[in-house]
Amino acid sequence: GQNIDQPTEMTATEGAIVQINCTYQTSGFNGLFWYQQHAGEAPTFLSYNVLDGLEEKGRFSSFLSRSKGYSYLLLKELQMKDSASYLCAVRLTGAGSYQLTFGKGTKLSVIP
Amino acid sequence: DAGITQSPRYKITETGRQVTLMCHQTWSHSYMFWYRQDLGHGLRLIYYSAAADITDKGEVPDGYVVSRSKTENFPLTLESATRSQTSVYFCASRTGLDTEAFFGQGTRLTVV
Repeated sequence: GQNIDQPTEMTATEGAIVQINCTYQTSGFNGLFWYQQHAGEAPTFLSYNVLDGLEEKGRFSSFLSRSKGYSYLLLKELQMKDSASYLCAVRLTGAGSYQLTFGKGTKLSVIP
Repeated sequence: DAGITQSPRYKITETGRQVTLMCHQTWSHSYMFWYRQDLGHGLRLIYYSAAADITDKGEVPDGYVVSRSKTENFPLTLESATRSQTSVYFCASRTGLDTEAFFGQGTRLTVV
């Protein structure tokens, strides 16, 4: 089976930096997505990593190490509106390449 | 309106009834997906479709039926609703395998 692990909850202070980790053990790997989901809303796309390394997009960055089965999402200069759940999702290979397999999500609370 | 829309947004139904959740997208995306989201489980794939008239099972297909006679529509039917199908259902679409998925706003279904 596919296994994608993220911490369940995290708390961080406004203005700080927080790193949300995602580890995966899957039968194949074609890329990793990060989504943000505010309570009661739909997930929205943040980033997509296929190759090893860091992708930066404003206050958000995402890192991937394929050899270690590991990714993280880095949020800088935290704002209250960043309080949300963050979902990592793996695109598999072969017949599973159409789908995204999601982790259970990390609920981030930003406090003043 | 452009985008992906789900209807209804909220639905309460009784055990044993048939229920259909609608999903409509205006982008002509090839790939469409149905997920359910439950506390402690994250997003789990029910069914997906690579094109009109092509559908396949995901991780949790039992008790659900889909069809895709037109590219833009992907309805999900619960043939005989059970309490375990109480959940938030998200429809999503993608234009390609390496592209982000766009999610509808979700349908909160309660089976009593």
